[in-house]
Amino acid sequence: GNSVTQMEGPVTLSEEAFLTINCTYTATGYPSLFWYVQYPGEGLQLLLKATKADDKGSNKGFEATYRKETTSFHLEKGSVQVSDSAVYFCALRTDGYNKLIFGAGTRLAVHP
Amino acid sequence: SAVISQKPSRDICQRGTSLTIQCQVDSQVTMMFWYRQQPGQSLTLIATANQGSEATYESGFVIDKFPISRPNLTFSTLTVSNMSPEDSSIYLCSVDQTGDGYTFGSGTRLTVV
Repeated sequence: GNSVTQMEGPVTLSEEAFLTINCTYTATGYPSLFWYVQYPGEGLQLLLKATKADDKGSNKGFEATYRKETTSFHLEKGSVQVSDSAVYFCALRTDGYNKLIFGAGTRLAVHP
Repeated sequence: SAVISQKPSRDICQRGTSLTIQCQVDSQVTMMFWYRQQPGQSLTLIATANQGSEATYESGFVIDKFPISRPNLTFSTLTVSNMSPEDSSIYLCSVDQTGDGYTFGSGTRLTVV
């Protein structure tokens, strides 16, 4: 079946460090891929998305590239800030279906 | 993108009672989705609500426990019935207005005591 696997957290970094959160997926067809962010006490916000192979989604300094050959959509940021502390969810939507399938989420804590 | 207003934002309820959560969207949408996020967990889809038809429930969720209304294209409610402490979760509604991304409400944090 369709699924999303994220690296386990928490991820703890110092400010200005490089961030990678790994995400791999299993899906039939050609899914669309998403990263969502949940700040403490808030709902989910769409961070970025990619709808086909080799697409790169980017927003707020975050990037992720849709790699069909490795079925991956890793999230990266070159220099994290304390304000990036949140839970990050990778998700997919497969062709013909409207629901999102989420990974388990990765908590990021950035310290000054 | 759509703006979603969800209420209440949080509630503490006695076991055995029911709570109705409201979701209002600022534009017309065909489908509305209800998710549950248990403490420290990811999101799980409860059901998809289409206007004018019965909601479609995911495996493990039943209408008697989570009745849903969808009276028009901008509004939906989710009721959590006969609550137990295991129902303590964040409940979120979501819409997909543009076809390639989902907007979420801010969630209802439910604690059952």
